[in-house]
Amino acid sequence: NAGVTQTPKFQVLKTGQSMTLQCAQDMNHEYMSWYRQDPGMGLRLIHYSVGAGITDQGEVPNGYNVSRSTTEDFPLRLLSAAPSQTSVYFCASSYPSSYGYTFGSGTRLTVV
Amino acid sequence: EDKVVQSPLSLVVHEGDTVTLNCSYEVTNFRSLLWYKQEKKAPTFLFMLTSSGIEKKSGRLSSILDKKELSSILNITATQTGDSAIYLCAGSYGGATNKLIFGTGTLLAVQP
Repeated sequence: NAGVTQTPKFQVLKTGQSMTLQCAQDMNHEYMSWYRQDPGMGLRLIHYSVGAGITDQGEVPNGYNVSRSTTEDFPLRLLSAAPSQTSVYFCASSYPSSYGYTFGSGTRLTVV
Repeated sequence: EDKVVQSPLSLVVHEGDTVTLNCSYEVTNFRSLLWYKQEKKAPTFLFMLTSSGIEKKSGRLSSILDKKELSSILNITATQTGDSAIYLCAGSYGGATNKLIFGTGTLLAVQP
């Protein structure tokens, strides 16, 4: 069982560069979310999706875009990377009736 | 403003000790409270608690929610070094959207 797969695991970007963090799940979960984890801040919701074609903003959406063209994939795009976006990013998915999100293994992003 | 607060921020115990981790929440449209364990990578789901007040148990771990006090505790008895991790508490909210707001976590270190 692959579960939730995130790529890449590590990435270094220069300020102003753009990139896409990939997230795929094979559990047919309708709900998918992106969180960032920073020291002393806990996990904060960036964007979420309740199904293919439906996305919405979370707590900290600025500087990020998402799309959900299929149930399986939920990529997160950084439009113009900034040092403040240095963080660990987690993708998570769940069934609508389940509160227990399954998390991916994370992407550690450093913006220099 | 919605928030989830965990205490203590960190804790060092010896194997065999019993620990209690605390979580308080102020979450609009609250649905449930979740506990996660985070070791090196992805958070893994431990418990989901609702306002029913029913205690959840799994081996040496147990948890309960006090809906009057808007709080929850996670107990770990006979701690082992493998219990060393960050323990995260999250409030689920948002009706059908199943969003989570996390606390900053409690770092538990169990020494041999």
